[in-house]
Amino acid sequence: EAQVTQNPRYLITVTGKKLTVTCSQNMNHEYMSWYRQDPGLGLRQIYYSMNVEVTDKGDVPEGYKVSRKEKRNFPLILESPSPNQTSLYFCASSSGGGAGYEQYFGPGTRLTVT
Amino acid sequence: GQSLEQPSEVTAVEGAIVQINCTYQTSGFYGLSWYQQHDGGAPTFLSYNALDGLEETGRFSSFLSRSDSYGYLLLQELQMKDSASYFCAVSPHQAGTALIFGKGTTLSVSS
Repeated sequence: EAQVTQNPRYLITVTGKKLTVTCSQNMNHEYMSWYRQDPGLGLRQIYYSMNVEVTDKGDVPEGYKVSRKEKRNFPLILESPSPNQTSLYFCASSSGGGAGYEQYFGPGTRLTVT
Repeated sequence: GQSLEQPSEVTAVEGAIVQINCTYQTSGFYGLSWYQQHDGGAPTFLSYNALDGLEETGRFSSFLSRSDSYGYLLLQELQMKDSASYFCAVSPHQAGTALIFGKGTTLSVSS
């Protein structure tokens, strides 16, 4: 089954404790991205990757890091989480970048930073 | 900056037709797409417009006017299951780069 998986699905952590949210896709997609979703703000792109070893900042990259060492994986790293990073996070993949390519979203990771 | 404007909420009854508008102000334009998101779920792709005009996919249609920086999603024969949030999204740069989403429109369909 074609899918994007994220782990963990739910996470409660404390300020400053480094964490990684994993994202993996099995569709051989070149393009992957991370979004955060907050009430009333819609989906905001954090980082995106055109291919292995190619990443770029989206609208809200501050406080986040990503890496793309393999085509299928695109982890999101919060080196020192803060309460304002409490949010619902989605990973997505597609065969290309841009609005014309269907983005396949993972199930989401709900993060709470206390 | 880049911005996409959508109404925050729309209500309608089963069987009706509803139109969700999206106006955009972006540094460039390389297409407009629409996504649906049910409460607690992930967004799913609905449609895409690169050129002016209407694209029809079953009960859903999407329209684009590049000269007006405007598009809309048209939902016909509304069903209760259409109650969801709908997002427009624009590529402001040439394909292969960032994707900007609107803040979403919550559609409530009542019987």
